[in-house]
Amino acid sequence: QKEVEQDPGPLSVPEGAIVSLNCTYSNSAFQYFMWYRQYSRKGPELLMYTYSSGNKEDGRFTAQVDKSSKYISLFIRDSQPSDSATYLCAMKDFGNEKLTFGTGTRLTIIP
Amino acid sequence: SQTIHQWPATLVQPVGSPLSLECTVEGTSNPNLYWYRQAAGRGLQLLFYSVGIGQISSEVPQNLSASRPQDRQFILSSKKLLLSDSGFYLCAWSPGGGALYEQYFGPGTRLTVT
Repeated sequence: QKEVEQDPGPLSVPEGAIVSLNCTYSNSAFQYFMWYRQYSRKGPELLMYTYSSGNKEDGRFTAQVDKSSKYISLFIRDSQPSDSATYLCAMKDFGNEKLTFGTGTRLTIIP
Repeated sequence: SQTIHQWPATLVQPVGSPLSLECTVEGTSNPNLYWYRQAAGRGLQLLFYSVGIGQISSEVPQNLSASRPQDRQFILSSKKLLLSDSGFYLCAWSPGGGALYEQYFGPGTRLTVT
């Protein structure tokens, strides 16, 4: 079993829809959770960063962490064609210099 | 603000040739530095990371090596490339020794071994 599981998609939704992207994990020591957006042939760009459980909102993006279920989500409201990219979740435990990544979900927003 | 550079952006090399990829970070001191490889349709594979000059941790045994000759410079090398070394190579940095742990990625180098 992989430490972090992420549905690879592809996921296609119409413009303006709410998008939900998810990851599950098995290591209960993970405390720091990140979401990256990666456009084709580019490096990943950090979108959201949360610590422990709870929600964090930044504009149209909301990151949610449920440590009891070992489940994290990224919600995108009012999705735009420019949101079309691969979204990677990443997480780490305290004191560890290394991140553990999901394999990424490819998202396409249809105009 | 901090900036991370990688070069070259693309590279086509024959099997058996040497490799040198360079990464530099500006605007920060004593960063942690990372090399990842991303194969087509797959996730990020951590290759090496460094918490200081001359300190290299290897995650995957293979024909690649890394060096950190200066605080903000990280180099990925190979003496003889294999076909399986093709991929998208990403350098990343994170603040070292503090409470912040997110990583920031460079633009990447796309390597094709022929």
